[in-house]
Amino acid sequence: QSALTQPPSASGTPGQRVSFSCSGSSSNIGKHILHWYQQLPGTAPKVLIFSNNQRPSGVPDRFSASKSGTSATLAINGLQSEDEADYYCATWDDTLNGPVFGGGTKVTVL
Amino acid sequence: MQVAESGGGLVKPGGSLRLSCAASGFTLSTYTIHWVRQAPGKGLQWVSSISGSGSFLSFADSVKGRFSVSKDDANNSLSLQMTSLRLDDTAVYYCAISGTKQSSFDIWGQGTMVTVSS
Repeated sequence: QSALTQPPSASGTPGQRVSFSCSGSSSNIGKHILHWYQQLPGTAPKVLIFSNNQRPSGVPDRFSASKSGTSATLAINGLQSEDEADYYCATWDDTLNGPVFGGGTKVTVL
Repeated sequence: MQVAESGGGLVKPGGSLRLSCAASGFTLSTYTIHWVRQAPGKGLQWVSSISGSGSFLSFADSVKGRFSVSKDDANNSLSLQMTSLRLDDTAVYYCAISGTKQSSFDIWGQGTMVTVSS
């Protein structure tokens, strides 16, 4: 049971907007910056969003994220087939004295 | 800038294994290094973090007392020594790098598989 809660799955058709949440507490999301990782099948994770809402160079602008209080949201605007992957939120947790990952959300493109 | 893990393999319960994380293109000791594992079909789980200076070191409760970390600055590498291995330690182990302990994991290795089985 992770300290960060994500829905296990989300889906949409090509071109649709898909969004899902990451919920935590005052010891993690409520206090620290949040990051999102994308893991394509059979590959290592890569950073998709850092510092709550910043996209690294090379990440398409259809990916966006926000944070409010103890929860955060990742949105994909204009879903594409190559977006089919697992997405993880992550942040620091003062109780663990280490980083914590959400359980992951599997995005399926219908 | 990249990192590469090595040392994974098959080990019996109660056994030991040493994983390595070798960096190229940058100096490992100027970053925070993390170990993250992923059991088959499961999500990401943090294992350990160590700051570049070694002044910060932390382990997940599930591995505390069984796993240790050592830095080899001369060889620009880091090792994860795993002892008293259990069946639920079976996972792909990733080495990941961040600028500080709270910043994003910007560099990931390809992972190395550890299988604990009798």
